[in-house]
Amino acid sequence: ELKVEQNPLFLSMQEGKNYTIYCNYSTTSDRLYWYRQDPGKSLESLFVLLSNGAVKQEGRLMASLDTKARLSTLHITAAVHDLSATYFCASTRGQFYFGTGTSLTVIP
Amino acid sequence: DTEVTQTPKHLVMGMTNKKSLKCEQHMGHRAMYWYKQKAKKPPELMFVYSYEKLSINESVPSRFSPECPNSSLLNLHLHALQPEDSALYLCASSQEPGNPHPYNSPLHFGNGTRLTVT
Repeated sequence: ELKVEQNPLFLSMQEGKNYTIYCNYSTTSDRLYWYRQDPGKSLESLFVLLSNGAVKQEGRLMASLDTKARLSTLHITAAVHDLSATYFCASTRGQFYFGTGTSLTVIP
Repeated sequence: DTEVTQTPKHLVMGMTNKKSLKCEQHMGHRAMYWYKQKAKKPPELMFVYSYEKLSINESVPSRFSPECPNSSLLNLHLHALQPEDSALYLCASSQEPGNPHPYNSPLHFGNGTRLTVT
């Protein structure tokens, strides 16, 4: 079974600062996805990373994939309050395996 | 707006009740999923249907019974639930027509049904 871990689990950051969320997975996988979930809401797909070295950017979020290290990162640039949410990575190998989630709070 | 529609949005049921959760998608996706999510936890896979056939059952208790009447619809029948079954139940779909693998495209989630068992 593929295990996916994220850190940190909780992240409180000031507006305007940068930070990175890490997603490690235990064995070779097919693809890596990032999702966002607002409180009480469903999950929204952010990025899909297909191969080693892949980088995707949307606004203040940038995701990357290192398949050799079995690591994906989600980098937040100049955080704003609207980015407060829980972020999940998910790796696939026969099915989707979700990470533990990172609850992000951006404070003024 | 989500392209996966779930009803009802909220459901309160007693332990002796029978109820059903419904999910519909019109994106032509060939795979449909039920997930259970507890507060502050990742979604837990319950069932996967691929081409209307049950392909994964993650050892879910028999008080949860899935049904896929056609490629656009997915139901989850509930009977004799326990209070610990209270959670957000999420339906998702993936795999566009012509894509051979359900995991080569993102999951599209519905807004979920918030279930409370009393």
